[in-house]
Amino acid sequence: KAGVTQTPRYLIKTRGQQVTLSCSPISGHRSVSWYQQTPGQGLQFLFEYFSETQRNKGNFPGRFSGRQFSNSRSEMNVSTLELGDSALYLCASRSGAGGGNSPLHFGNGTRLTVT
Amino acid sequence: DQQVKQNSPSLSVQEGRISILNCDYTNSMFDYFLWYKKYPAEGPTFLISISSIKDKNEDGRFTVFLNKSAKHLSLHIVPSQPGDSAVYFCAASDRAAGNKLTFGGGTRVLVKP
Repeated sequence: KAGVTQTPRYLIKTRGQQVTLSCSPISGHRSVSWYQQTPGQGLQFLFEYFSETQRNKGNFPGRFSGRQFSNSRSEMNVSTLELGDSALYLCASRSGAGGGNSPLHFGNGTRLTVT
Repeated sequence: DQQVKQNSPSLSVQEGRISILNCDYTNSMFDYFLWYKKYPAEGPTFLISISSIKDKNEDGRFTVFLNKSAKHLSLHIVPSQPGDSAVYFCAASDRAAGNKLTFGGGTRVLVKP
């Protein structure tokens, strides 16, 4: 099976712009989560989608949003970019809705640099 | 409020010896714990997990121990190999609340040949 695929791998944007990142989960996985990794804050949970519905949201401002499509692919959007949004954005997928023992599997991330 | 902590930012070990990584948590609702390994410019790779109904899980060279009363888990790697050099993250989940993982800050492991 192919792993979690994230596009693009690298992105450079200017403050005030918006950006959309894309994630294709492992085939058959219906749960998709997004995480932000920065040197100062580590790995932080952004949100989780299951069957096109947001199930959980982390402590991030409303500029961060996401959605999931019927084929389980997901996108996240960051509007009005700030310098502090520079980070590695990781997508992860899992087969079930929760409560089981299967782990999250991560993609290689999108490295966003805001200048 | 850091609910998952890895107090050792780095660890250096000789090839062939044991690597022991530690992780503490504060949220008593956590019932599923995982260890991930991460190389630069790649996403975290799942290593091993343990559910709160167990106190030990083993997979090849990797063993995870869970002490619920102390809210502490550890990862043992025996024997350590140079390819194990990476950053290791522990993560915890309250499975009834969904798939959200709370991560520790990571421990950088260097295995010297």
